[in-house]
Amino acid sequence: GAVVSQHPSRVICKSGTSVKIECRSLDFQATTMFWYRQFPKQSLMLMATSNEGSKATYEQGVEKDKFLINHASLTLSTLTVTSAHPEDSSFYICSAPSGSVTDTQYFGPGTRLTVL
Amino acid sequence: QKEVEQDPGPLSVPEGAIVSLNCTYSNSAFQYFMWYRQYSRKGPELLMYTYSSGNKEDGRFTAQVDKSSKYISLFIRDSQPSDSATYLCAMNSGGSNYKLTFGKGTLLTVNP
Repeated sequence: GAVVSQHPSRVICKSGTSVKIECRSLDFQATTMFWYRQFPKQSLMLMATSNEGSKATYEQGVEKDKFLINHASLTLSTLTVTSAHPEDSSFYICSAPSGSVTDTQYFGPGTRLTVL
Repeated sequence: QKEVEQDPGPLSVPEGAIVSLNCTYSNSAFQYFMWYRQYSRKGPELLMYTYSSGNKEDGRFTAQVDKSSKYISLFIRDSQPSDSATYLCAMNSGGSNYKLTFGKGTLLTVNP
């Protein structure tokens, strides 16, 4: 199957700082990537759709100025959590469609963010 | 009513048991159905994918879709302790570039 990587896998930061998370498709190109957030023992919540060459599309209730998304190339999307606060602590996961005949999405391993 | 309903469990079974996991949905536009397995603190891993009613088998796993009843299932035969994970159903209406709608996930524990 297609491989999606994320970096870093874990990050701990102080309140008020910004954190950047990278999502890469390693063996395929992705014009679209998705960013999710997952709280403990809960399902994935879609935050935004990242589009290569254009602005991201945010889900209702997600602050676009707080969660900055940049789809820099066909293999890289970044999520920057700006002025992070403890309530932003969560598991952030990206996904990308492989473009193959299976026509579905593959997920990265996730990034655990802890804001102190 | 939520678009996708999935019993969160937890579900605990002995090793070797047949496991049945289910989701119901309300949006008749959904055409593509997936099952993901997620181990603790890891990203979801695609297990099964189907886009038509009927059964699809892959090793010990069988995915079943009944569009008339808006009901999908995942069966695991000869369950193993390594199958212990959260299983998420997901679906969308238009293929890979369309947003997935997830169930809440069912936490499965297979006891040796």
